[in-house]
Amino acid sequence: DSGVTQTPKHLITATGQRVTLRCSPRSGDLSVYWYQQSLDQGLQFLIHYYNGEERAKGNILERFSAQQFPDLHSELNLSSLELGDSALYFCASSVEHEQFFGPGTRLTVL
Amino acid sequence: AQSVTQLGSHVSVSEGALVLLRCNYSSSVPPYLFWYVQYPNQGLQLLLKYTSAATLVKGINGFEAEFKKSETSFHLTKPSAHMSDAAEYFCAVSSSGNTPLVFGKGTRLSVIA
Repeated sequence: DSGVTQTPKHLITATGQRVTLRCSPRSGDLSVYWYQQSLDQGLQFLIHYYNGEERAKGNILERFSAQQFPDLHSELNLSSLELGDSALYFCASSVEHEQFFGPGTRLTVL
Repeated sequence: AQSVTQLGSHVSVSEGALVLLRCNYSSSVPPYLFWYVQYPNQGLQLLLKYTSAATLVKGINGFEAEFKKSETSFHLTKPSAHMSDAAEYFCAVSSSGNTPLVFGKGTRLSVIA
């Protein structure tokens, strides 16, 4: 158990819908990273937050957005969903150079 | 830009045999290098990391990796494979602490009894 929690574990929705994925980092970790894992693209970095501020953006679509709240949990919002958004979404929290990954949310878009 | 190449999307070894998973990286700055393991339907677990200290890094479950700057490599080895080692292995690089990881495409390890 990494200490990082993600909810929900599974999410099934339809094209065009909007969903919110939630991540709670390890106690005391200020950084949260979001990654997407798909068969086509492998593991790709989406976005990084540090203590409530956006630090870096990767291959994140404009339909996707994220935020980190004062209690340090983070949410990833995915809208206007397409079939190709079906993937495993991980968050990770870090201390210095080591990232601890949550169990992921498996999103299926039908 | 940083990148990671993992040679071999699938490696199969016999139980008790040497495990060798290859990783080459590209980085314009001294890299931080990592190996993660992913078991089916689970998240990523850190096996080991290189952060500019000793070039031979020992990790969990008997795995180790050697950082070779001249070869830009960070191959993962284990002297004797166990059935429980069957999983997907990912090599990753970052430029410093608290920066995003760039992952390779992964290598699936199968262990044959």
